[in-house]
Amino acid sequence: AQSVSQHNHHVILSEAASLELGCNYSYGGTVNLFWYVQYPGQHLQLLLKYFSGDPLVKGIKGFEAEFIKSKFSFNLRKPSVQWSDTAEYFCAVSIMIKAAGNKLTFGGGTRVLVKP
Amino acid sequence: EAGVAQSPRYKIIEKRQSVAFWCNPISGHATLYWYQQILGQGPKLLIQFQNNGVVDDSQLPKDRFSAERLKGVDSTLKIQPAKLEDSAVYLCASFGIMNTEAFFGQGTRLTVV
Repeated sequence: AQSVSQHNHHVILSEAASLELGCNYSYGGTVNLFWYVQYPGQHLQLLLKYFSGDPLVKGIKGFEAEFIKSKFSFNLRKPSVQWSDTAEYFCAVSIMIKAAGNKLTFGGGTRVLVKP
Repeated sequence: EAGVAQSPRYKIIEKRQSVAFWCNPISGHATLYWYQQILGQGPKLLIQFQNNGVVDDSQLPKDRFSAERLKGVDSTLKIQPAKLEDSAVYLCASFGIMNTEAFFGQGTRLTVV
């Protein structure tokens, strides 16, 4: 069974600082990778996803992520954060199981606080 | 397209009471998920349906939780009896064959007192 680990539980930084959140997964086969964001009081929203092709994926709101297959990693980055990026970020992995659909597993999340 | 609908949005019950949540996925989506998200943690898969069949319920506490998706469309998740540790947000999501991502509902926030 696949699993997802996010290294940082909490990150505090100032506006304009760069952000990098780590995500590693364990599964030997083909995976699809996602980063979701959850703003305070809101539901999960998709930031970006990787299925195939260019391992550097650009998402909404200036976020990007890089898939490094050899390291089983899919780290999220943003060069310059804003106060509005304060949220919880979740990495997720899906694998396709024949006749069962996509199995989607989440990491534990990283809470990001951006100080004005 | 319409999103994933969940109700109620909030529910407060006493321990040992029962509660039910409802989810209507996006039309045509074969895969439906119920996740439990405890405060400060990532969503944990409780049960996954493919059409009206269960494909994964390995983390569903079957002594108190049950779920059904009788016609392969909407689904209900029930807790009976509830415990304090069941306080969480219950998320429903659906995934269509032609899609590349799961779509989430707004969730039901359950508080057990």
